[in-house]
Amino acid sequence: DAKTTQPTSMDCAEGRAANLPCNHSTISGNEYVYWYRQIHSQGPQYIIHGLKNNETNEMASLIITEDRKSSTLILPHATLRDTAVYYCIVRGGSGANSKLTFGKGITLSVRP
Amino acid sequence: GAGVSQTPSNKVTEKGKYVELRCDPISGHTALYWYRQSLGQGPEFLIYFQGTGAADDSGLPNDRFFAVRPEGSVSTLKIQRTERGDSAVYLCASSPRTSGAHNEQFFGPGTRLTVL
Repeated sequence: DAKTTQPTSMDCAEGRAANLPCNHSTISGNEYVYWYRQIHSQGPQYIIHGLKNNETNEMASLIITEDRKSSTLILPHATLRDTAVYYCIVRGGSGANSKLTFGKGITLSVRP
Repeated sequence: GAGVSQTPSNKVTEKGKYVELRCDPISGHTALYWYRQSLGQGPEFLIYFQGTGAADDSGLPNDRFFAVRPEGSVSTLKIQRTERGDSAVYLCASSPRTSGAHNEQFFGPGTRLTVL
């Protein structure tokens, strides 16, 4: 699976949009971009995934560049409960049940 | 509904001892994963089961680590001759079998293992 690069940390104000960047310049054509987050002392939680089109669900939006070498996770109205470590993961499309390869993620701190 | 559960939530043991960590996946999920997470790091893959068989055990660090899933549901991660470096949070995840490329993994809260 391709490697991802994320900043170590960022913060944003409550109620504002949080834009979390991720670079995955070596991504191949059949690899998906996944985002998970991990709130302190809990297991990771799935947020969203995409291949090449932008995606949106009730939690977030995922914007993937046309060349697929980078993406941005957008939390439209961050709350204090969104404070967590966010992991950008590139996962092979070779199997529906393939493992997840986590990096260190980006720590998002939402301030009041 | 019930999520993935792991027991115990905390385990303290002495160097050289044997430990077993249990994972109860979501009912009906055929895929089960074990990861471990050291402080300040992301989770690291250990092993993946599809049904009763280990489909990928490439992440097991050495032969002191072993996992079983005899009936295709509950899984046990077994660590022999524990070392201080085994101290970590051990996470279990499960996912349903689908025919598509996407398969969300649902994680349990983890077992915190401390080897003294």
